[in-house]
Amino acid sequence: NAGVTQTPKFQVLKTGQSMTLQCAQDMNHEYMSWYRQDPGMGLRLIHYSVGAGITDQGEVPNGYNVSRSTTEDFPLRLLSAAPSQTSVYFCASSYRRQAGNTIYFGEGSWLTVV
Amino acid sequence: GQNIDQPTEMTATEGAIVQINCTYQTSGFNGLFWYQQHAGEAPTFLSYNVLDGLEEKGRFSSFLSRSKGYSYLLLKELQMKDSASYLCAVRDLASGAGSYQLTFGKGTKLSVIP
Repeated sequence: NAGVTQTPKFQVLKTGQSMTLQCAQDMNHEYMSWYRQDPGMGLRLIHYSVGAGITDQGEVPNGYNVSRSTTEDFPLRLLSAAPSQTSVYFCASSYRRQAGNTIYFGEGSWLTVV
Repeated sequence: GQNIDQPTEMTATEGAIVQINCTYQTSGFNGLFWYQQHAGEAPTFLSYNVLDGLEEKGRFSSFLSRSKGYSYLLLKELQMKDSASYLCAVRDLASGAGSYQLTFGKGTKLSVIP
């Protein structure tokens, strides 16, 4: 059981480049989300999805796009990378209906924009 | 929106007990979570409280007072491996993703010293 899988783990981008962070889960979770984590800022929600075909913005969505064509996959696209997007990115997923359902995190993607 | 506060850093001695506090303000409280995050790793689930009182899991306990908007994580018999960041997170039904979304505090970095 792989859980939540993120790729790549490390990436260096030049300003203006685009890239996609991949996220897949094999737990049939309805809810998936992307967070970024910066020193002194904690985890901040970028985008989330409550099911295939449904996405919405979180706290810090600017500069990022997402899509949810299947239950399993939730890629995060950086359209034109900026140094301010240097961060650690975590994909997460959870079941929809259980009251105490925790969210499960992927291992993280360390992104540096130069 | 939500406001979640927890101390930035704490230091404690191996074998001792430490209490990490978390205060929050929400309009639709629906659960509080504690996560542990070792440096360079993803957060992992520790505990969940939705009703007032104490939840105990081995060396870790978590307490919730909904009327005070207050929780604490209690770590007993501290071990060196407990050195990590501890994240308080709140589920708020009034937020955009309703019962799925968690909002995180900035985390408390705990250092356990010999």
